[in-house]
Amino acid sequence: GAGVSQSPSNKVTEKGKDVELRCDPISGHTALYWYRQSLGQGLEFLIYFQGNSAPDKSGLPSDRFSAERTGGSVSTLTIQRTQQEDSAVYLCASSLGYRGESPLHFGNGTRLTVT
Amino acid sequence: GDSVTQMEGPVTLSEEAFLTINCTYTATGYPSLFWYVQYPGEGLQLLLKATKADDKGSNKGFEATYRKETTSFHLEKGSVQVSDSAVYFCALLSSGSARQLTFGSGTQLTVLP
Repeated sequence: GAGVSQSPSNKVTEKGKDVELRCDPISGHTALYWYRQSLGQGLEFLIYFQGNSAPDKSGLPSDRFSAERTGGSVSTLTIQRTQQEDSAVYLCASSLGYRGESPLHFGNGTRLTVT
Repeated sequence: GDSVTQMEGPVTLSEEAFLTINCTYTATGYPSLFWYVQYPGEGLQLLLKATKADDKGSNKGFEATYRKETTSFHLEKGSVQVSDSAVYFCALLSSGSARQLTFGSGTQLTVLP
């Protein structure tokens, strides 16, 4: 079956512009995560959605970052007024489990470059 | 807070060599531990896991043992293949209320024929 799909795969934007990154999770997965991977760094947790519960936004680095998940499926991560330090690979993952004990299935990521 | 420290790469080995990638963690309570792998051009995928002390996770010839006394979860394989070339991430899931995995920085492995 289809895996986690992210689009675009690459995005180059100018500093100060807004960007939207999209994630299509695996059908039936109730949990959805966004992570960020900067060069030479580990995966940094950004936000977590579980079903209809309020999202865990504790990892968002600033109020320029926001995310939504419509209809419990597709998610969009929005970065407003992008800065060069936002350049990274943004990874989306989904899973069946409540606490992540079921495996996370990752997409291939969106590589964001802010010039 | 929780953290994972793993061996810095890159690591380059010849085919059939023995592999160890070190991973240590800091966490309260009794976390679950994972190794994820990212093959070139693909998304991260779960390689193996262990959910309690002394458990051994294994898959595709890779093994890792949950050592609470040394807070470690080192990844090993007795004989690596070229197809094992990938980036390997150690991760933990806290036993507390946190719902997300905490990842290490990743170790790039290249296996030469």
